[in-house]
Amino acid sequence: EAEVAQSPRYKITEKSQAVAFWCDPISGHATLYWYRQILGQGPELLVQFQDESVVDDSQLPKDRFSAERLKGVDSTLKIQPAELGDSAMYLCASSHRDRLYEQYFGPGTRLTVT
Amino acid sequence: GNSVTQMEGPVTLSEEAFLTINCTYTATGYPSLFWYVQYPGEGLQLLLKATKADDKGSNKGFEATYRKETTSFHLEKGSVQVSDSAVYFCALPSQAGTALIFGKGTTLSVSS
Repeated sequence: EAEVAQSPRYKITEKSQAVAFWCDPISGHATLYWYRQILGQGPELLVQFQDESVVDDSQLPKDRFSAERLKGVDSTLKIQPAELGDSAMYLCASSHRDRLYEQYFGPGTRLTVT
Repeated sequence: GNSVTQMEGPVTLSEEAFLTINCTYTATGYPSLFWYVQYPGEGLQLLLKATKADDKGSNKGFEATYRKETTSFHLEKGSVQVSDSAVYFCALPSQAGTALIFGKGTTLSVSS
């Protein structure tokens, strides 16, 4: 069964350093999402792509976060510089363009900022 | 905007007990409603959905009925198993319709 791939699974970085996460969605899924999940909370949307275009990045802290999906397939989320409050699980999900809410999630990247 | 509220956890049950996890929502109109589940060490996965009022979603022995009168979508299972231990999230589309809004999650722990 096809899965959403994410790497790395775990990342420890120091405050003020740069960090990047990678996501490969299920083949054929035009819509890709990056969510942030703080411990004990539900996922919150950071950015949504439709193919290579950003659909919604209203909750993305653009002073330090950036996301790209250059060829409309895999995607990278970057944080620079990382802050202590960025410690969280970063989840990638994908969906078919006609079934936006039936999302398939990757295992996530656990980020710890020290 | 749209929002969802779930009962606080954790919920601790013995095997074969009856499960209810409460979820209420606030929304414009009657959006589709969802339950997602996150097993330990795994990503979230869709458990069930309901697309209109009075619909009942079901999967793996779990059920939830979309009740517009009480703006609720409670998750139920008649007899839980140890393998049901996970975190359960209620969700609905954002008002803009671009993505999902999730509840805080309810942790279920089932012991044998």
